[in-house]
Parts: sequence; structure tokens; C-alpha cells
Amino acid sequence: AQSVTQPDIHITVSEGASLELRCNYSYGATPYLFWYVQSPGQGLQLLLKYFSGDTLVQGIKGFEAEFKRSQSSFNLRKPSVHWSDAAEYFCALYNNNDMRFGAGTRLTVKP
Amino acid sequence: EAGVAQSPRYKIIEKRQSVAFWCNPISGHATLYWYQQILGQGPKLLIQFQNNGVVDDSQLPKDRFSAERLKGVDSTLKIQPAKLEDSAVYLCASSPRGGQGGGEAFFGQGTRLTVV
Repeated sequence: AQSVTQPDIHITVSEGASLELRCNYSYGATPYLFWYVQSPGQGLQLLLKYFSGDTLVQGIKGFEAEFKRSQSSFNLRKPSVHWSDAAEYFCALYNNNDMRFGAGTRLTVKP
Repeated sequence: EAGVAQSPRYKIIEKRQSVAFWCNPISGHATLYWYQQILGQGPKLLIQFQNNGVVDDSQLPKDRFSAERLKGVDSTLKIQPAKLEDSAVYLCASSPRGGQGGGEAFFGQGTRLTVV
């Protein structure tokens, strides 16, 4: 069965510091992978997605993610975090009508 | 382009009462999803429609939850009777396509349900 694991429940970084949010998946074939962001009281907004091809994908707001098949990972990165990036981040895997989400990582940004 | 619209934004009901949520997807999107997001967890798919047909409702508690998408456009999700553990945010999402093609899902702001 497919599943998504986000090992970090909560991460705190200083503004301007780099960020990496981890995502591991379990799936037999090449998955469709997504990162979504959710601000308080808001719905989920797509940051980026990976279907095939280049394993480094660029998204909105300066985010990028790298698909590593050997590690079953799809980690989200940003070189310099802004205070407005504080939110909940969800990794998701899609296959055959089933979109499976991780439990999320809450990002706190210190001034 | 208008996004996914949901109403109401907030709802508080007593256990054993019934409640209904409404969703209007992005125009032209064939696929519509309802998710339940319990505090501290990721969204869990309840039901997926392709046009007005159900594609997947395997995780929908059918003894109390029901959903319909008449005419393949907007959709309603109903809970009857509600239990305390139904307290959650109910998210509606739509996608231009579903199936093996995958596809980006666009989410509404959700309805926060509190059952007391």
C-alpha cells in the first residue's frame, strides 16, 4: 500500500536560514508527488509537483524539491526562509485516484 | 478564475445532529474530492467523484456520511448523525482530470466542523 511519511512534526528556523523538509514515500512504481502548503484557516496551496523527468523541480515562492528514487524521498528545500513561510507543509502521493497525504510538518520562523 | 468555493466556513453542532457542507468546484473540473482533516493530521480522502459518478468512496463512513454531486458540478457532503470524532476541517478540492494522469488538485478553504 502506498504511504507518505513526514518525519518532522515541527521545525523552527531563523528567518534567512535555509530549510529542508523531509518526505519519504512507499510505493512500488514511480509516483506522482506533490508538496502543498496550508496557512492557518486556509485551504491547501500547491507548491510544486513531480511526475517524471528532471528530478529537481522548482515551485512557487522560491521552493524546490528533489526526487530521489534510491532513498524514496522527495524533500522540500528553500535557500532562505521568509517570515511569511510559516505554515503547515504537506507532502502527498497520487496514484490511481488515490491522493495520500503525510501528517504534515509545521514550520515556525524565528525573527 | 474563481477558486473552489465552500460553505459554510464554520459550523458548530451537537452530537447526533445532522449537518451538510456545500462545495462548488472550479468551472470545468471533472474531478471533485472531499477530504477530512483532523487537527494535527494530513487530509484523508473521503470520496472522489468523476463528473457525477463516484470513483472512490472506500474511506467514507457510509453509515453516517453521504455525498452527492448532481449534474456533475457542485457537491454536498452530509453527516447524519454526527459524532464527537467528526470534528475536523472538511476540504473540498477539484482537478481538471483524475485517473492515471494524476493532476493538481485545487483546494477550497474548508469547513471547520465542531461537534459538541
